Amino acid sequence: GDSVTQMEGPVTLSEEAFLTINCTYTATGYPSLFWYVQYPGEGLQLLLKATKADDKGSNKGFEATYRKETTSFHLEKGSVQVSDSAVYFCALSDAYNFNKFYFGSGTKLNVKP
Amino acid sequence: DTGVSQNPRHKITKRGQNVTFRCDPISEHNRLYWYRQTLGQGPEFLTYFQNEAQLEKSRLLSDRFSAERPKGSFSTLEIQRTEQGDSAMYLCASSPFTAANTGELFFGEGSRLTVL
Repeated sequence: GDSVTQMEGPVTLSEEAFLTINCTYTATGYPSLFWYVQYPGEGLQLLLKATKADDKGSNKGFEATYRKETTSFHLEKGSVQVSDSAVYFCALSDAYNFNKFYFGSGTKLNVKP
Repeated sequence: DTGVSQNPRHKITKRGQNVTFRCDPISEHNRLYWYRQTLGQGPEFLTYFQNEAQLEKSRLLSDRFSAERPKGSFSTLEIQRTEQGDSAMYLCASSPFTAANTGELFFGEGSRLTVL
C-alpha cells in the first residue's frame, strides 16, 4: 500500500542554517505530494505541494521537488528562522483515490537563536 | 473567514464510557475527513464524507466508532465503550470539491481524547 517515510527528529539548527528534511514515498501511479506544518498549539496547515514529477513546490522560503526516479520529496530551506520551529509532515494523496492522504510520522524542527 | 472548528478540544473519560466529538468544517467545503493521530505519528485516515454521504471508512474504524454528517454540514464522531487504546488526537479536515488530484486539506486543531 501507499506510505510515506520521513527522517526522524528532532532536528536542531541554529538560525540561518540550511535545512533538509528527507521524505520518500511508496505509491502506485502518480500521487500528489505535500508538506504540511504544525506550529505549536495550532492545526496542520499546508506548506507546499507538487502534483507531478519534476514539479517544485515552494512557499515561505521552503522548497521541495517531486522526484519520481528516487520517489522522494525532500524539504529544503536555505536559511531557517526561529519562527520555523514546528513539526513538519510529508504526505501523499492516493493517485486513484485522492480523498485519502497518507502522512509520514513528522519531523520536529527546533531553531535556536 | 472561520476555519475548521472542533470541540471539545480535550476530553478525559473513563474506560467504557462513550464520547462524542463535533467538527464544523469551512462552510463552503463539501468534503469532510476524520483522522486520528497518536503521539509521535502522523495522522491516519479514519473516514470521509462528501456532503452527507459517508463514502469511505478505514479498517481502523472499529464497530465502536461511528461518524455522521446528517445535513452535510457539521459532523460528529462517536466512540462507544472507550478503551485506553483510543487515546489519541482526533483531527477533522475539510476540503472543497476539486476535479483534479490536488486537493488540499484544511485541518482543525483537533480533539484530544484521554481514556483513563
